[in-house]
Amino acid sequence: QKEVEQDPGPLSVPEGAIVSLNCTYSNSAFQYFMWYRQYSRKGPELLMYTYSSGNKEDGRFTAQVDKSSKYISLFIRDSQPSDSATYLCAMKTEYGNKLVFGAGTILRVKS
Amino acid sequence: GAVVSQHPSWVICKSGTSVKIECRSLDFQATTMFWYRQFPKQSLMLMATSNEGSKATYEQGVEKDKFLINHASLTLSTLTVTSAHPEDSSFYICSARSWRSFNEQFFGPGTRLTVL
Repeated sequence: QKEVEQDPGPLSVPEGAIVSLNCTYSNSAFQYFMWYRQYSRKGPELLMYTYSSGNKEDGRFTAQVDKSSKYISLFIRDSQPSDSATYLCAMKTEYGNKLVFGAGTILRVKS
Repeated sequence: GAVVSQHPSWVICKSGTSVKIECRSLDFQATTMFWYRQFPKQSLMLMATSNEGSKATYEQGVEKDKFLINHASLTLSTLTVTSAHPEDSSFYICSARSWRSFNEQFFGPGTRLTVL
């Protein structure tokens, strides 16, 4: 079993839809949770960063962490064609160096 | 802020040659830099972690003699792929972390290596 599971998609939605992206994990020691966006042939860009459980909102993006269920989500409101990319979840332990990535979900927003 | 650059952005080389990739933090001092490898439609796989002025720590299964990492300054790390072979063709991405933010990594744009 992988430490971090993420459905690779692709997920195809119409413009303006609410997108829900999810990851599950098995290591209860993970405390920091990130979402990265990666366009084709580019490096990942940090979108959201949360510590422990709870919600965090930034513009059209909301990140949720449910540590009891070992489940994290990223919601994108009013999705745009420019949101089409691969979304990677990543997480790390309190003092660890290493980021553990999910496989990435390909998102396609159609105009 | 938090800009990381990589050079070159793509390189094609012949089998058996060595290739050097540079990773620079442009507006912050990177106490730690990370090197990842990404195959098409796959996630990032950590290859090694390097701290400025010390030897890199390689992940299990990564040949340290093949992938030489040098982190000589707080703004520059290099990855040298020695005696490259076609199976080394991949997308190599670096990331950097400053002492100010232990938990955030900022990624470079990646280097696409093709070995013929």
